[in-house]
Amino acid sequence: AQSVAQPEDQVNVAEGNPLTVKCTYSVSGNPYLFWYVQYPNRGLQFLLKYITGDNLVKGSYGFEAEFNKSQTSFHLKKPSALVSDSALYFCAVRDIGAGTASKLTFGTGTRLQVTL
Amino acid sequence: NAGVMQNPRHLVRRRGQEARLRCSPMKGHSHVYWYRQLPEEGLKFMVYLQKENIIDESGMPKERFSAEFPKEGPSILRIQQVVRGDSAAYFCASSPPGAGAMNTEAFFGQGTRLTVV
Repeated sequence: AQSVAQPEDQVNVAEGNPLTVKCTYSVSGNPYLFWYVQYPNRGLQFLLKYITGDNLVKGSYGFEAEFNKSQTSFHLKKPSALVSDSALYFCAVRDIGAGTASKLTFGTGTRLQVTL
Repeated sequence: NAGVMQNPRHLVRRRGQEARLRCSPMKGHSHVYWYRQLPEEGLKFMVYLQKENIIDESGMPKERFSAEFPKEGPSILRIQQVVRGDSAAYFCASSPPGAGAMNTEAFFGQGTRLTVV
């Protein structure tokens, strides 16, 4: 069974500082990995994904994530946080080995709070 | 492209009534996922459907909940005899058919917020 862990319920960062939101995954085969962001009372918006190739993936709004196979991690990062980045962030995984029958499994989410 | 459309956005039902939530996927998408989000919690997978087929319903409660995605029309998540514990936000997502379903991100609707009174 596939699973995703986001060990931090909340991350607090001062504006202008770098931020990291952690994600680790577990799949039986190789993963496809995704990050989504959710603003209050809204649906999820796609940020970035890792499918294959370069381990460092760049996405929307200046976010990036690094795939680390040995540590089974896919941490979300941004060099300089903005107050407007404050939102709920979800990591998700799909197990390639399960083929098109594979569902997208989400972590429990990490609330990012960026303060002035 | 209008994106994934969910309606209604807000739904209030009394205990014991039925709730029907609708999801129209993006144009060209034939895979639909339903997720439930309780307040201050993450997304819980409920069911994964392709046109006229249920692929994975491992997250669906055994009773009162059902889902369909007919050949024509939207996907429907149906909750019979609702209880207060069903109050949540229900999100639908869609992705394209075939191999593209694997490496393409799922696109989410705005959700339906169900309140059971």
